[in-house]
Amino acid sequence: EAGVAQSPRYKIIEKRQSVAFWCNPISGHATLYWYQQILGQGPKLLIQFQNNGVVDDSQLPKDRFSAERLKGVDSTLKIQPAKLEDSAVYLCASSLVEDEQYFGPGTRLTVT
Amino acid sequence: AQKVTQAQTEISVVEKEDVTLDCVYETRDTTYYLFWYKQPPSGELVFLIRRNSFDEQNEISGRYSWNFQKSTSSFNFTITASQVVDSAVYFCALSEPTDSWGKLQFGAGTQVVVTP
Repeated sequence: EAGVAQSPRYKIIEKRQSVAFWCNPISGHATLYWYQQILGQGPKLLIQFQNNGVVDDSQLPKDRFSAERLKGVDSTLKIQPAKLEDSAVYLCASSLVEDEQYFGPGTRLTVT
Repeated sequence: AQKVTQAQTEISVVEKEDVTLDCVYETRDTTYYLFWYKQPPSGELVFLIRRNSFDEQNEISGRYSWNFQKSTSSFNFTITASQVVDSAVYFCALSEPTDSWGKLQFGAGTQVVVTP
């Protein structure tokens, strides 16, 4: 069974630029999550989707971050404009409803 | 407030030693889930275990074992006879229904370094 796919794996941008990350969850998983992991910390949930709908986006900085999940499968997370403090690893995870989450390899973002 | 506390930042052991990772959590819910994940240097979080709040039985899986004690709000993880491949950051996490099911609240992680 294929795991959670993410791209790109690495991205370097300058502050005020925009960037987008893509995630393809495990087939059949209704729930998809985006986490931000700053170096030395545990992951922090940014947004949770169930199928097409948003379940929780309380910790998403909506003035610069946006996310969508079209057709209840793939998802994109966008940052516009990026700030230095957005440097982190962005992890995508998926799960069956109320089940354990499986994580992708992450995208390491560096903002200079 | 931090809901999951992993007080040990880093633990260094020599191969074949046992290592215990502490996890203390805080919740007002009676139903909740606790998790452990492993994050090797490659960066991908690997699921190890999920335990619901009504199941306090200790669990053993190979060299891994978990001790869940509701009385002390702890969910500790022991690696027996550690190996170099166990070197990683280990995260404890909590999921509560009053927050949103599925949302994992992670501790800060414990770095385990196993030397030959």
